Amino acid sequence: EVQLVESGGGLVQPGRSLKLSCAASGFTFSNYDMAWVRQAPTKGLEWVASISTGGGNTYYRDSVKGRFTISRDNAKSTLYLQMDSLRSEDTATYYCARAGSPHYWYFDFWGPGTMVTVSS
Amino acid sequence: DIQMTQSPASLSASLGETVTIECLASEDIYSNLAWYQQKPGKSPQLLIYYANSLNDGVPSRFSGSGSGTQYSLKINSLQSEDVSIYFCQQNYDSPYTFGAGTKLELK
Repeated sequence: EVQLVESGGGLVQPGRSLKLSCAASGFTFSNYDMAWVRQAPTKGLEWVASISTGGGNTYYRDSVKGRFTISRDNAKSTLYLQMDSLRSEDTATYYCARAGSPHYWYFDFWGPGTMVTVSS
Repeated sequence: DIQMTQSPASLSASLGETVTIECLASEDIYSNLAWYQQKPGKSPQLLIYYANSLNDGVPSRFSGSGSGTQYSLKINSLQSEDVSIYFCQQNYDSPYTFGAGTKLELK
């Protein structure tokens, strides 16, 4: 059974950093492109960042470029999101998601999410 | 960025009814369109990809259609478990944008 479990969320002050993790199981993690998608409270979904199978290619939305870093450790079947210089508008539930097909960024499995609150 | 305009924003329908949700892209996305269902407090689940391909395990009462800029999700014979929010998403070009969602309720 495919499982994605996020961790690392919490309350953080503006300007500080937080690192999210996503532990994957039930599939060959190294064979799949992966992504982070977020959802602000009572709002819609917003793609944040994506990474290729080997980690060599990464993609970001403009509002997080230069502040967030997506990475992966295939040996540990874990996806990461390093978030620096956090802003109040980054407050959201962050989902780890698996790409449904190589290089096609629709998402066939999602984790339950981890909440990030940026507030003083 | 490609804008995804979803309609209606909310919808009320009776059990057994057929409902349709629309999604309009601001430019041609060449059928790179997915539909998701999100139940309260849960993560989204993929229903449809490539505009009309049913994801594994999704009931056949769900179907997708469309091309170019116009796409739709149809639910035949509405069931109580279909009460959810539905989102469309284009995966043609970065940033991969979602519609604002359609909240489906029972009448």
